[in-house]
Amino acid sequence: SQTIHQWPATLVQPVGSPLSLECTVEGTSNPNLYWYRQAAGRGLQLLFYSVGIGQISSEVPQNLSASRPQDRQFILSSKKLLLSDSGFYLCACYPGLAGGTQFFGPGTRLTVL
Amino acid sequence: AQSVAQPEDQVNVAEGNPLTVKCTYSVSGNPYLFWYVQYPNRGLQFLLKYITGDNLVKGSYGFEAEFNKSQTSFHLKKPSALVSDSALYFCAVRYRSYNTDKLIFGTGTRLQVFP
Repeated sequence: SQTIHQWPATLVQPVGSPLSLECTVEGTSNPNLYWYRQAAGRGLQLLFYSVGIGQISSEVPQNLSASRPQDRQFILSSKKLLLSDSGFYLCACYPGLAGGTQFFGPGTRLTVL
Repeated sequence: AQSVAQPEDQVNVAEGNPLTVKCTYSVSGNPYLFWYVQYPNRGLQFLLKYITGDNLVKGSYGFEAEFNKSQTSFHLKKPSALVSDSALYFCAVRYRSYNTDKLIFGTGTRLQVFP
């Protein structure tokens, strides 16, 4: 079965600083990968998804970007953080044989001050 | 367009009582439906899913969900609630197109089980 790692677990950054969050997956190959943001412990907002290396789809225009340099690595970045970027960032994986079931990582708590 | 609605922001239930968390959906074609649970500061955990077959789906931790096509609902249920069931619950529906395969989530329902 797959395991999803995210780091860092928590991050406090000043406004205007850059961001890099990393997600890596073990136990599966060629998965679909997803970045979500959750604000205030409620709804999930899908930010980006990827069906393969170098293939990124953006769901909403915003201050963030994503990259997939390797099959099981998914990176969320920003050049300059905004206060509104604060939230809980979740990486998810769909291994392709689970009827659409996504499996989630432990998340990264980002606070922008 | 595919969508999911969770009409209750919060559900309160006494320990030992049955619980229901509601979900309705709107999809074109046959739905793939999911329930996830999230504990504080944790990622989402998969509980159960409906793809086809028996309308009553059994999942983890004693939870089950009933698919009702005529009412376009997929309510989550448990016969006897535990305090440890207190968490945030999400319903989701799968959306697929030519180059897209994603889940559309509801806004979440907070379940509070009182001792």
